[in-house]
Amino acid sequence: QLQLQESGPRLVKPSETLSLTCTVSSVSITTTNYYWGWIRQPPGRGLECIAVLSYSGSASYHPSLKSRLSVSVDTSKNQFSLTLTSVSAADTAVYYCARHFYGIGLESWGQGTLVTVSS
Amino acid sequence: DVQMTQSPSTLSASVGDRVTITCRASQSFNNWLAWYQQKPGKAPKLLIYAVSNLQSGVPSRFTGSGSGTQFTLTITNVQPDDFATYYCQEYNSYVWTFGQGTRVEMK
Repeated sequence: QLQLQESGPRLVKPSETLSLTCTVSSVSITTTNYYWGWIRQPPGRGLECIAVLSYSGSASYHPSLKSRLSVSVDTSKNQFSLTLTSVSAADTAVYYCARHFYGIGLESWGQGTLVTVSS
Repeated sequence: DVQMTQSPSTLSASVGDRVTITCRASQSFNNWLAWYQQKPGKAPKLLIYAVSNLQSGVPSRFTGSGSGTQFTLTITNVQPDDFATYYCQEYNSYVWTFGQGTRVEMK
């Protein structure tokens, strides 16, 4: 059964870097037609997709975060990671990783991890 | 960038009601439109994909329709488990966009 699990620090200081990893089990992240997303949700607010990673390794970023955001892949560990630099309180959110199957949508999600930006 | 606008923001309903949530896109796109249900403290759950296709295991009281720039999610015969927040999402773009959400609360 497909599982996605987010991991990383829960508390980050302002101006520092937020790093999260999503570990995927039961399927290779390079499987054709799978796309992998990072979605965040500030407390009490809606969902925002901030990055999408294709099975081929190409990445797309939310325009407002593009200058601070990057994603990477470690195929040997079947993981993909998120790095967000120069964080502020506005980056406090639950961060989810999720899988999108082409044409279907985000059909599998991690449980999410709350990252708080505070000194 | 495509903007997705949901209405209403909040909807009050009773068990057995029929409710409709609307999602309007700022520009027309193909049928890559999904609906999700989210309960407090939980990850979203995919209900509908490609406008009108029911995800496996989702009750048939959930239906999706629409085209172009206007899409709807209808819940027929609302059940206690359906009180939650619902989001539309386009996945036609390189980075996907969600609507702001519609909270369905008990009247």
